[in-house]
Amino acid sequence: KNQVEQSPQSLIILEGKNCTLQCNYTVSPFSNLRWYKQDTGRGPVSLTIMTFSENTKSNGRYTATLDADTKQSSLHITASQLSDSASYICVVLSGGSYIPTFGRGTSLIVHP
Amino acid sequence: NAGVTQTPKFRILKIGQSMTLQCTQDMNHNYMYWYRQDPGMGLKLIYYSVGAGITDKGEVPNGYNVSRSTTEDFPLRLELAAPSQTSVYFCASRDAWDRGTYEQYFGPGTRLTVT
Repeated sequence: KNQVEQSPQSLIILEGKNCTLQCNYTVSPFSNLRWYKQDTGRGPVSLTIMTFSENTKSNGRYTATLDADTKQSSLHITASQLSDSASYICVVLSGGSYIPTFGRGTSLIVHP
Repeated sequence: NAGVTQTPKFRILKIGQSMTLQCTQDMNHNYMYWYRQDPGMGLKLIYYSVGAGITDKGEVPNGYNVSRSTTEDFPLRLELAAPSQTSVYFCASRDAWDRGTYEQYFGPGTRLTVT
């Protein structure tokens, strides 16, 4: 069964600090991995997508990495801001499928 | 472009009542999805559609029905509402010809409480 596991479940950091969120998956065959940001009371919004051949991709202060061999991805947030407080969801799509597999998300709270 | 819109934003139902959650997208996307999100849990797929007239069950379809008569609209019907259907419901769409980006666009959600 395809699964996506995220850690930690929740994280509290101070404004300006960096943090890293983890995603492990067992989806096969792998097509792509996407990180979404979900603000409270809103739908998820895509941050970045990683395909099999990509190791690192940045979107402003967000940097995603992918190790397709170990089936792990991370999302690194640099110089956190209060607006980064949200849930971050890892989503993996299997090749040939219409249906992605969602992780439960990591809830990030940034304190001033 | 309004993107994906959902109505209503909030709704309280009594046990046994029925209702339809509306979802409309103006991006001419072929694929549409309905998810539910329970507190602390990931999104679970209820139903999806790959085009007008075509729908299929997801992971948790029991208690729900859908139809897709047009490309734009994908309503979700709850019959005989139960407390277990208390959740936040998200509609999403995706372009079938997105050149490999596979990005889903989500609506703002409908928060449903069944008491």
